[in-house]
Amino acid sequence: EIVLTQSPGTLSLSPGERATLSCRASQSVSSYLAWYQQKPGQAPRLLMYGASSRATGIPDRFSGSGSGTDFTLTISRLEPEDFAVYYCQQYGSSLPLTFGGGTKVEIK
Amino acid sequence: QVQLVESGGGVVQPGRSLRLSCAASGFTFSTCGMHWVRQAPGKGLEWVAVIWSDGSNGNYADSVKGRFTISRDNSKNTLYLQMNSLRADDTAVYYCARDRYGSGWSYFDYWGQGTLVTVST
Repeated sequence: EIVLTQSPGTLSLSPGERATLSCRASQSVSSYLAWYQQKPGQAPRLLMYGASSRATGIPDRFSGSGSGTDFTLTISRLEPEDFAVYYCQQYGSSLPLTFGGGTKVEIK
Repeated sequence: QVQLVESGGGVVQPGRSLRLSCAASGFTFSTCGMHWVRQAPGKGLEWVAVIWSDGSNGNYADSVKGRFTISRDNSKNTLYLQMNSLRADDTAVYYCARDRYGSGWSYFDYWGQGTLVTVST
């Protein structure tokens, strides 16, 4: 099973600041990595797939990078609606599909 | 627009069974793989099972293998999860989610709103 480790667990930032979230895989997943945003009481929403492709309707302040085992989700300037929990998910060549433990982006 | 609506959750005693349903609309259901993903209260996301678009293949997380069965009825645009021998640690919100592709597995591009399953005496 591929283990995904997200860091930090919590990120305390102010609106307008830049957020950098990390996801590290226990073995290479190539670029088969997705990012999701989840707000309280809501289902997750797809943000990024293929490590760096934005999903439909996702604003360009969100960007993703990385390949192999190290990945980053960057939010260039935090908007009030961006404060949420973010999960990475790998969909490499073998099951099970796995998620990271999440990074909570909270208002400082 | 794509809609996934889960139903069937509730409170059930340990060892009993429950069947979840997910009604799909707004897309060609028979061409998409489908998943169940769960989230225990206050915890992260856990993938549960996948079924290919034609229902020919199902795969499971080790934590539910042998107890849960994923199935679909493409004529009714509905996904199912039969859950048997339920345990307290199966307590979670269960989401159905659409796979980007019809066979194999990838990422989840649409999610339902979830249905809560509570396993308790």
